[in-house]
Amino acid sequence: GQNIDQPTEMTATEGAIVQINCTYQTSGFNGLFWYQQHAGEAPTFLSYNVLDGLEEKGRFSSFLSRSKGYSYLLLKELQMKDSASYLCAVRDEGYSTLTFGKGTMLLVSP
Amino acid sequence: EAQVTQNPRYLITVTGKKLTVTCSQNMNHEYMSWYRQDPGLGLRQIYYSMNVEVTDKGDVPEGYKVSRKEKRNFPLILESPSPNQTSLYFCASSLYEQYFGPGTRLTVT
Repeated sequence: GQNIDQPTEMTATEGAIVQINCTYQTSGFNGLFWYQQHAGEAPTFLSYNVLDGLEEKGRFSSFLSRSKGYSYLLLKELQMKDSASYLCAVRDEGYSTLTFGKGTMLLVSP
Repeated sequence: EAQVTQNPRYLITVTGKKLTVTCSQNMNHEYMSWYRQDPGLGLRQIYYSMNVEVTDKGDVPEGYKVSRKEKRNFPLILESPSPNQTSLYFCASSLYEQYFGPGTRLTVT
């Protein structure tokens, strides 16, 4: 099975940088995903890592270390609209299941 | 427009009355999945399907059924709903990353 941990809540200020961490213990691994979910809406895809290292996509970057079972999502130049829940998810080796963490609620204040 | 659709979006029903939540995708994805999302528990997988006529249980399959007779559709069936199935349900399909439907908020009284 998969066990995924991420902080429950974080706060940050508009214009700042925030890092959301995710640790996982898995019986198999074939990629780590980050999703953004605004209240009452569907999750939307942000990033994907399958190899170690940093993937950058505009204001968002995601890092993976498979040996440490660790990932982070970095959000730069925070905007009010970035207030949302951020979900870390791990895909199993068989590409059959995606297990989600409970999500990190990020509140961006002026 | 590439999308996953679910119907209904909101449903209030009573214990024991069979219901079906439909899910359809127009991206020709082979993989589809159902999740439920509850406060404090996050998204949990109910069932998934790797292709037509191929379905398998996720983490919380009890009380649910699915079918996959065609690639685009993956309905979720609650034969005898109970109050503990009150939740927000998401259907998803994927080739690479998962695309989620808008969600169905179900209340069972």
